[in-house]
Amino acid sequence: GAVVSQHPSRVICKSGTSVKIECRSLDFQATTMFWYRQFPKKSLMLMATSNEGSKATYEQGVEKDKFLINHASLTLSTLTVTSAHPEDSSFYICSALQGTHNYGYTFGSGTRLTVV
Amino acid sequence: QQQVKQSPQSLIVQKGGISIINCAYENTAFDYFPWYQQFPGKGPALLIAIRPDVSEKKEGRFTISFNKSAKQFSLHIMDSQPGDSATYFCAPLVSGAGGTSYGKLTFGQGTILTVHP
Repeated sequence: GAVVSQHPSRVICKSGTSVKIECRSLDFQATTMFWYRQFPKKSLMLMATSNEGSKATYEQGVEKDKFLINHASLTLSTLTVTSAHPEDSSFYICSALQGTHNYGYTFGSGTRLTVV
Repeated sequence: QQQVKQSPQSLIVQKGGISIINCAYENTAFDYFPWYQQFPGKGPALLIAIRPDVSEKKEGRFTISFNKSAKQFSLHIMDSQPGDSATYFCAPLVSGAGGTSYGKLTFGQGTILTVHP
């Protein structure tokens, strides 16, 4: 089955620094990947849609300069949280769409970001 | 506008019992109705999904019931087990929305299921 690997699973960083989170589709090519944010005991909030070779599409209210997304290849998308602050602490989850199958969404295992 | 309303927020069931989670939606253009299961500290995983051309789908202990006229679909977990304790999300989508070849999942608020041994 389709596998999406997300790395790191946990990261602690100092306020003001930047953190990069990687999302890889291991056994399929993903032209489209999605990045979500989830607060404790809350639902997933879509942050942006990442398409290989083009600029990401951000949801309303998401700061594109704060959350930089790069989808450089068909198997890798990265989310960089720039100049992180404690309020950026959250659980970040990526999802990849397998090929042209509209319904084949596979999620990564998530990254717990803590900004101190 | 809240497009998807999931209930209950939390549910406690005894081992062997039936767990029922409901999802009501507004957007009649939704054409794919999945349920996702999420364990603490992990990403969601697809549990079961249904298309609107059928009213029920069963996979093992898990059943989706779909009521198009009422704009509702539900997840039934038969013979609930402690290992089923997790958060469940409905996340319908409109395929091909906005001229794209894919749709965006619209997540419900989530239901925290606890199955007591």
